[in-house]
Amino acid sequence: QVQLVQSGAEVKKPGSSVKVSCKASGDTFRSYAIAWVRQAPGQGLEWMGRIIPLLNITNYARKFQGRVTITADRSTCTGYMEVTSLTSDDTAVYYCARAPLFGDPLVDVWGKGTTVIVSS
Amino acid sequence: DIQVTQSPSSLSAFVGDTVTITCRASHNISHYVSWLQQTPGRAPRLLIYAATDLHNGVPSRFSGTGSGTDFTFTISDLQPEDFATYYCQQTYSTLAWTFGQGTKVEMK
Repeated sequence: QVQLVQSGAEVKKPGSSVKVSCKASGDTFRSYAIAWVRQAPGQGLEWMGRIIPLLNITNYARKFQGRVTITADRSTCTGYMEVTSLTSDDTAVYYCARAPLFGDPLVDVWGKGTTVIVSS
Repeated sequence: DIQVTQSPSSLSAFVGDTVTITCRASHNISHYVSWLQQTPGRAPRLLIYAATDLHNGVPSRFSGTGSGTDFTFTISDLQPEDFATYYCQQTYSTLAWTFGQGTKVEMK
């Protein structure tokens, strides 16, 4: 069964940074993009950006450009998403998900999510 | 980024009813729309992609139509496990695959 295994919950101070990880299988890293989506408490889904690990190409939603960095380590098949200069508005569940590089564009497998709480 | 407007934000229905949710995109996005289901505390689940295609293992009571800017998602014969929040997502943009605001389907 295909899985994306995310790192555990984090509590951070305002102004600090957080880095969330997402471990995938080798096949996922060769054939899929890894996307990041967040969901603030009681709110909807918000697309942050994605990376194609095979090519090391990233793109970001306009809102997150400059403050979010998405990376991938092909040696460990792990994706990362870092948010800097955290504020309380960044309190959310952060999901990674995979999108196939070929065929119809879709997101078919999701991680369970990582809760990030920003509080002083 | 392409904007996606979803309506209604919530609806109430009985088991056995047919419910319909709509999404409108700010640009022509061809048929590049997915529909996802989310239950509380869980990750989203893909139901439909490319506007009309059912994802693996998804019951046929779920269906989607549309192209261009206007899309519709329908659940026929609503089941107890279908009470959840549903999102449309455009997958046309090369940058951000934005979501609609969500529709919460509640039991009447």
